[in-house]
Amino acid sequence: GNSVTQMEGPVTLSEEAFLTINCTYTATGYPSLFWYVQYPGEGLQLLLKATKADDKGSNKGFEATYRKETTSFHLEKGSVQVSDSAVYFCALSDFGGTALIFGKGTTLSVSS
Amino acid sequence: EAQVTQNPRYLITVTGKKLTVTCSQNMNHEYMSWYRQDPGLGLRQIYYSMNVEVTDKGDVPEGYKVSRKEKRNFPLILESPSPNQTSLYFCASSSPGPIPLPLHFGNGTRLTVT
Repeated sequence: GNSVTQMEGPVTLSEEAFLTINCTYTATGYPSLFWYVQYPGEGLQLLLKATKADDKGSNKGFEATYRKETTSFHLEKGSVQVSDSAVYFCALSDFGGTALIFGKGTTLSVSS
Repeated sequence: EAQVTQNPRYLITVTGKKLTVTCSQNMNHEYMSWYRQDPGLGLRQIYYSMNVEVTDKGDVPEGYKVSRKEKRNFPLILESPSPNQTSLYFCASSSPGPIPLPLHFGNGTRLTVT
């Protein structure tokens, strides 16, 4: 079945450090891929998405590239801020899928 | 403002006492879904609905019921809650299509069953 694996957290960084959160997936066909972010006490918000191979999603300085050959969708940011502290979820959805399949989430903590 | 509204935000109850968590969206979305979030397990889908009067089970439907009598509302019903249903619950909605559109999430309901 479809699944998403993302790196275990927590990830602890200093402000302005480089961030990478790894995400790999298993799926039949050509899924769409997403990163969601959950700030404390809130629901999940879409951060970025990619719908086909080699697409790059980007938003708020975060980027992720859909790599079909490595079945990966790693999240990166060049310089993190304290306000980026949150839980990040990688997710996939099949063509016409009725659910998003989520990874277990990675907690990011950024200190000043 | 486009939003998904869940109520209540926090709920403490006892085993066996029926409860309902409400969910309402104002975006005219056809698709609605319930997830539960547990530490170390991420989010798992409980039930979903593709449109009015059309509902189906997700990955973890046992112990839950839903209904979709109106497009905007999708309540989650626990007829006899048990402690293993203590969790953080999220309702979500979207407009489905050839490429699924992003889900819009509510702010969550933290349920404790003692």
